[in-house]
Amino acid sequence: NAGVTQTPKFRILKIGQSMTLQCTQDMNHNYMYWYRQDPGMGLKLIYYSVGAGITDKGEVPNGYNVSRSTTEDFPLRLELAAPSQTSVYFCASSYRRLVSYNEQFFGPGTRLTVL
Amino acid sequence: AQKVTQAQTEISVVEKEDVTLDCVYETRDTTYYLFWYKQPPSGELVFLIRRNSFDEQNEISGRYSWNFQKSTSSFNFTITASQVVDSAVYFCALSLTQGGSEKLVFGKGTKLTVNP
Repeated sequence: NAGVTQTPKFRILKIGQSMTLQCTQDMNHNYMYWYRQDPGMGLKLIYYSVGAGITDKGEVPNGYNVSRSTTEDFPLRLELAAPSQTSVYFCASSYRRLVSYNEQFFGPGTRLTVL
Repeated sequence: AQKVTQAQTEISVVEKEDVTLDCVYETRDTTYYLFWYKQPPSGELVFLIRRNSFDEQNEISGRYSWNFQKSTSSFNFTITASQVVDSAVYFCALSLTQGGSEKLVFGKGTKLTVNP
């Protein structure tokens, strides 16, 4: 299993540009998540999905959009990039059963700089 | 409010010293889970442990041990005989239930530097 994969690893955007960060998992996990990590600030949840076709906002959703058309893929869309979106983005997935909460598996991250 | 506090921003030790990383949490949930993750300099996040609120037994895994105390809302992490490879940022996280969907809330992390 490749686990959680993310592309690209690095990207530089100009203000106002748009892009999509790709995330794929091959573990048949039902839950998927997008986080951003700013220096010294831990991880903040942007969006999450509990299954194909179902997404919901996290703590910091403004400026982002997601979709979940398949179990495997959970792309994150940035529209009109702003310098405040400079960060490292992590995708994660987990398998949620009825009475337990399992660990999240993280991708390697995408380092995004908006200039 | 449901949150995780890692009061130690940075810790520096010399190899072979023992070191404890503190984690204090707040939650209204009666059932919850706590996690520790390691983020080495390479940047990936590595899962270390999961503990549910009904299991207060301490856990040991090699040089790593965890002390979970509900009475003080703490889930501390101890590395015994630290090694240079333990240098990383360590995150404590708490499961957060909102609207039936669980999410994690992370502390800000503790940067551990182990010097040779």
